Amino acid sequence: DIQMTQSPSSLSASIGDRVTITCRASQGVGNDLAWYQQRPGKVPRLLIYAASTLQSGVPSRFSGSGSETEFTLTISSVQPEDIATYYCQKYNSARETFGPGTKVDLK
Amino acid sequence: EVQLVQSGPEVKKPGESLRISCKGSGYNFTNYWISWVRQMPGKGLEWMGKIDPSDSYINFIPPLKGHVTLSTDNSISTAYLQLNSLTASDTGVYYCARRRTYGLEGFDVWGQGTVVTVSS
Repeated sequence: DIQMTQSPSSLSASIGDRVTITCRASQGVGNDLAWYQQRPGKVPRLLIYAASTLQSGVPSRFSGSGSETEFTLTISSVQPEDIATYYCQKYNSARETFGPGTKVDLK
Repeated sequence: EVQLVQSGPEVKKPGESLRISCKGSGYNFTNYWISWVRQMPGKGLEWMGKIDPSDSYINFIPPLKGHVTLSTDNSISTAYLQLNSLTASDTGVYYCARRRTYGLEGFDVWGQGTVVTVSS
């Protein structure tokens, strides 16, 4: 089975900071990689799919890049509403595994 | 409006079974996989398994074999997750989510989550 890892596991950011989260797959997954945001007590929300395509309605400060085994999610200027846990996920395969998550909070 | 609406919270005793429903509306139910995702208290998202409503193809993670049953009733656009022989470790929030069968997108619509508590 393909395993997904994320780094860091948590980070603290100030409003306006640029934040980058990395997701790694133990084997190549092509571009079949999504990013989700889960605010505390809320339902997960799709941010990015196909590694770099912004889901409709998601602010443009979010962006994704990468392919095969290494991917990044970038928030260009962190806003208060971005305080959340972010998960990557490989999909479009037999098993659609999530990464362990990266918690983003305010410094 | 496209949405997935799940059944309400459940409180069960160890050894009992439960069934959670997930009703889709606003889209063609058979054109999208339904996946089930578990989140234990204070933990991350865990993909449990998925079903293709068009042909009932199912896949789920091996540890759940024998513990979980997935099904759909396409006449009412509803997917079901059945958990058998419950233990305290089944306590958590269960989400259903859809993904287009031949699409490039991830899980674009999620249910609101069903809270399950297993306690004696």
